[in-house]
Amino acid sequence: NAGVTQTPKFRILKIGQSMTLQCAQDMNHNYMYWYRQDPGMGLKLIYYSVGAGITDKGEVPNGYNVSRSTTEDFPLRLELAAPSQTSVYFCASSNSGGNTEAFFGQGTRLTVV
Amino acid sequence: GENVEQHPSTLSVQEGDSAVIKCTYSDSASNYFPWYKQELGKRPQLIIDIRSNVGEKKDQRIAVTLNKTAKHFSLHITETQPEDSAVYFCAARTGNQFYFGTGTSLTVIP
Repeated sequence: NAGVTQTPKFRILKIGQSMTLQCAQDMNHNYMYWYRQDPGMGLKLIYYSVGAGITDKGEVPNGYNVSRSTTEDFPLRLELAAPSQTSVYFCASSNSGGNTEAFFGQGTRLTVV
Repeated sequence: GENVEQHPSTLSVQEGDSAVIKCTYSDSASNYFPWYKQELGKRPQLIIDIRSNVGEKKDQRIAVTLNKTAKHFSLHITETQPEDSAVYFCAARTGNQFYFGTGTSLTVIP
């Protein structure tokens, strides 16, 4: 049981490039989330999904896209990377019970130059 | 939507002293309150949680209290050790959403 797995761990992008951050969970969780964490700041929700085929915007969705074709995978797509997207990205998952925790991946440190 | 506020943003204590971090929330529908510890460069990890039908929970040196009427909950760490130094986040869960506080950077001075 690997939990939540994110790849890559580190990435440097040039302005205008695109990339996909991968996230997979093996706990059969319905809910999955993408957060970004800027230095010294809390976690801001980018997108979330309550099940395969269903995605919703969070607090800061602009510049990102997601898809959820399977229960296990929830990739985050950055189109036309900008310096403002330099951050640490965390994927998380939880089950659909209302009183259980979110499990986090190890994070992806992205720098846009 | 839910709004979670966390205080203080930084906290320094002497080794062996206690540390208290406080959070407030706004949505009475929130029913689950986890606390996460994030060490430098690592992922947030759950250290303790409390459900809305419980007022207090303790796990060794860590305890959490919840006051539903006042909509606030607190993390208490006793006999602090240098390895307790980290950023701590509170959160409130409402349905399928987690709302996080802005974090408290705790430094335990040996």
